[in-house]
Amino acid sequence: QVQLVQSGAEVKKPGASVKVSCKASGYTFTSYGISWVRQAPGQGLEWMGWISAYNGNTNYAQKLQGRVTMTTDTSTSTAYMELRSLRSDDTAVYYCARVVRDNWFDPWGQGTLVTVSS
Amino acid sequence: QSVLTQPPSVSGAPGQRVTISCTGSSSNIGAGYDVHWYQQLPGTAPKLLIYGNSNRPSGVPDRFSGSKSGTSASLAITGLQAEDEADYYCQSYDSSLTVFGGGTKLTVL
Repeated sequence: QVQLVQSGAEVKKPGASVKVSCKASGYTFTSYGISWVRQAPGQGLEWMGWISAYNGNTNYAQKLQGRVTMTTDTSTSTAYMELRSLRSDDTAVYYCARVVRDNWFDPWGQGTLVTVSS
Repeated sequence: QSVLTQPPSVSGAPGQRVTISCTGSSSNIGAGYDVHWYQQLPGTAPKLLIYGNSNRPSGVPDRFSGSKSGTSASLAITGLQAEDEADYYCQSYDSSLTVFGGGTKLTVL
């Protein structure tokens, strides 16, 4: 079955970077894009950006431009999201999701909690 | 402040029908972009509930239905069940970027 499995929880200090992985299985990785979405504690969903697994093209949310980089490794069917210069308000659960046709997300990864604390 | 506006909460008794609205503008829903809906049960990842305004993925009960008109969309849940208690999010495009509604917490009384 189609599945996205993310890396484990991270604790980082302010100013550090974090890199979250998202390993895909059950489908042809390069035929779909991957979006990243985060959810701060008790808050709603915030779209972070998208990457084409076919050619690596990206589209990032304006508020994260310059701090976020999304990449893929087609040899391992894995997508990565790196966020730099972490702040306390980056504390959130980070999700990857496969992007299907007209931009709906299915399935989602299980989520990765990133805690930013001194 | 989300680009797509949802009521923070709705509630209903078991067996009842509830609707959740998702109000946008001429730059997103009104521009013709499709609306998709997700259900997020407590402590879990979101799950696709409705895609392309009104289509259900396989496995989603027909108690869930979606519609779109003008600059708004709606999710309807009939025959409310205790397991429907969750957060619901709408999603669309705006200026080539993905946007989500703020989410609606459904409480089954």
